[in-house]
Amino acid sequence: DVKVTQSSRYLVKRTGEKVFLECVQDMDHENMFWYRQDPGLGLRLIYFSYDVKMKEKGDIPEGYSVSREKKERFSLILESASTNQTSMYLCASSSRGEGYNEQFFGPGTRLTVL
Amino acid sequence: DQQVKQNSPSLSVQEGRISILNCDYTNSMFDYFLWYKKYPAEGPTFLISISSIKDKNEDGRFTVFLNKSAKHLSLHIVPSQPGDSAVYFCAASVGSGRKLIWGLGTSLAVNP
Repeated sequence: DVKVTQSSRYLVKRTGEKVFLECVQDMDHENMFWYRQDPGLGLRLIYFSYDVKMKEKGDIPEGYSVSREKKERFSLILESASTNQTSMYLCASSSRGEGYNEQFFGPGTRLTVL
Repeated sequence: DQQVKQNSPSLSVQEGRISILNCDYTNSMFDYFLWYKKYPAEGPTFLISISSIKDKNEDGRFTVFLNKSAKHLSLHIVPSQPGDSAVYFCAASVGSGRKLIWGLGTSLAVNP
């Protein structure tokens, strides 16, 4: 059974704190993605990675950074959390194989920044 | 500039009837299309996909139709069940194994 896990389901942080969101997949997928979901705005891509140590900016990278030191792990970092980063954060992974572009999602982390 | 558009934010259907969710796209280079379903406080789950070389794909109660000339796809759920109540996202990509471009979602309510 394929699995994407995220380190926390719910997280409350204070403005200015550095926040780490961890994502681990056990499917040996090459690709990993970080999204945020807000009401009425759908899924917005923050960063993605097609391979270890590689990263590419998505549509809304400002205020975020990522790290991919191992194939199975992709971390999202909020350098200095702000209230407008309160959101649902979703991690996903996918294979790079031909025709296999289905993304598998983790359960999400609901982050509240006070 | 939204490349994938789901123009209906919400849809309400009676149990047992057909649900039709629509999606339009602007990029003619898209060659893979996917539908995802999302319950509150959970990650999206994959439902069904279609490649641009096909015009229909079926999986149980779910069928996706692709009209390339109109740059339109639709998801049909027959018969609709209360457990189908969720937000449905349409997504597309250029090439396989690449990032997806997402619509904003349609919230489906299936009433008993």
